[in-house]
Amino acid sequence: DGGITQSPKYLFRKEGQNVTLSCEQNLNHDAMYWYRQDPGQGLRLIYYSQIVNDFQKGDIAEGYSVSREKKESFPLTVTSAQKNPTAFYLCASNPSGQNYGYTFGSGTRLTVV
Amino acid sequence: QKEVEQDPGPLSVPEGAIVSLNCTYSNSAFQYFMWYRQYSRKGPELLMYTYSSGNKEDGRFTAQVDKSSKYISLFIRDSQPSDSATYLCAMFGSGAGSYQLTFGKGTKLSVIP
Repeated sequence: DGGITQSPKYLFRKEGQNVTLSCEQNLNHDAMYWYRQDPGQGLRLIYYSQIVNDFQKGDIAEGYSVSREKKESFPLTVTSAQKNPTAFYLCASNPSGQNYGYTFGSGTRLTVV
Repeated sequence: QKEVEQDPGPLSVPEGAIVSLNCTYSNSAFQYFMWYRQYSRKGPELLMYTYSSGNKEDGRFTAQVDKSSKYISLFIRDSQPSDSATYLCAMFGSGAGSYQLTFGKGTKLSVIP
């Protein structure tokens, strides 16, 4: 079945550590997105990519980095510069020109310990 | 003023009730209007989308868009406990200054058996 796979489902990070969240899709979608979800805050866009080897900052990119070396993959690194990383992270994708058709992964819950 | 306003609830109704969920928005360039359903600790899934003004019905769900009032609604008839989830509205328009979806913060719905 086609879809988006996020891993791991739960992740624990120590202070000062970088961690990478995986996002893989087999939908042949061109565009991919990373969102952060906090209680009462809704979805906030971190980074997005419309095409391989190109990506843009979203509304809250500070402390995060991404890469898009393959169409299927869009990993997110939460760096030590992100001071409040505990949140639920969601990856999404959509075909070009179909902005109503976002497909989301099941999310990664990141907790700082 | 935020671009999309959505009452966070929580909203609690008895099984079988009609539920009305609403969003207001300020950007008149929005043309595509979506409703996503998100179960606890899962990614959002697209429930319905509507282009421009009008109504769209799918089973027990009806989406309404009133562009003149900048107001969208999702109605759920004969609500079931399985409808208990957070409902997010989302919007997009090619002239809206952004090529990404703008989300409301979500309304948490509980349907009590």
